[in-house]
Amino acid sequence: QKEVEQNSGPLSVPEGAIASLNCTYSDRGSQSFFWYRQYSGKSPELIMFIYSNGDKEDGRFTAQLNKASQYVSLLIRDSQPSDSATYLCAVRGGSNYKLTFGKGTLLTVNP
Amino acid sequence: GAVVSQHPSWVICKSGTSVKIECRSLDFQATTMFWYRQFPKQSLMLMATSNEGSKATYEQGVEKDKFLINHASLTLSTLTVTSAHPEDSSFYICSAKRTSGPGDTQYFGPGTRLTVL
Repeated sequence: QKEVEQNSGPLSVPEGAIASLNCTYSDRGSQSFFWYRQYSGKSPELIMFIYSNGDKEDGRFTAQLNKASQYVSLLIRDSQPSDSATYLCAVRGGSNYKLTFGKGTLLTVNP
Repeated sequence: GAVVSQHPSWVICKSGTSVKIECRSLDFQATTMFWYRQFPKQSLMLMATSNEGSKATYEQGVEKDKFLINHASLTLSTLTVTSAHPEDSSFYICSAKRTSGPGDTQYFGPGTRLTVL
């Protein structure tokens, strides 16, 4: 059973702070890693994807991947109230294109 | 680019009726589309993988005769919930994987909220 674990939160940070979201996965053969943001009542929207160990930056977002530790994280710098949402970590295995999602972390950014 | 639409955005139906949900990739071709279901405060659960021109692959525990999937073209997949019951009430979301382009990213439609009375 492939599993993706996330802290359910809620994670609360003040506006302007760095929010750190974490995700671990069980399948060592996992190839691709995705972070989606989901506002209440809406469908997920892609924030970032990462394939290789290390950091990947896109604007205020940085994804970090450590395959040896089976760990992927998302950092949000200069957090804004509009970043308040549930963040879903998704992992693709090695043999197909199916994604396994974590349960999501609810982030609240306080003005 | 990479816009996926779903229709309808919400539907209310009586128990025992069938409901069809459409998923379209608007600006790209999608050989593979996925159908997910999400219950309140839970994560997305993959129901089936839809491949253009072939039968869908269903996840364990998903009744293929109840959830009919058709992927007749590179831009359209449909999910029909047959003989819907109140326990089928959920948020149904499709996603599409680009046939070409960056990696294996899935782009999600806006979802369809189904309520079965």
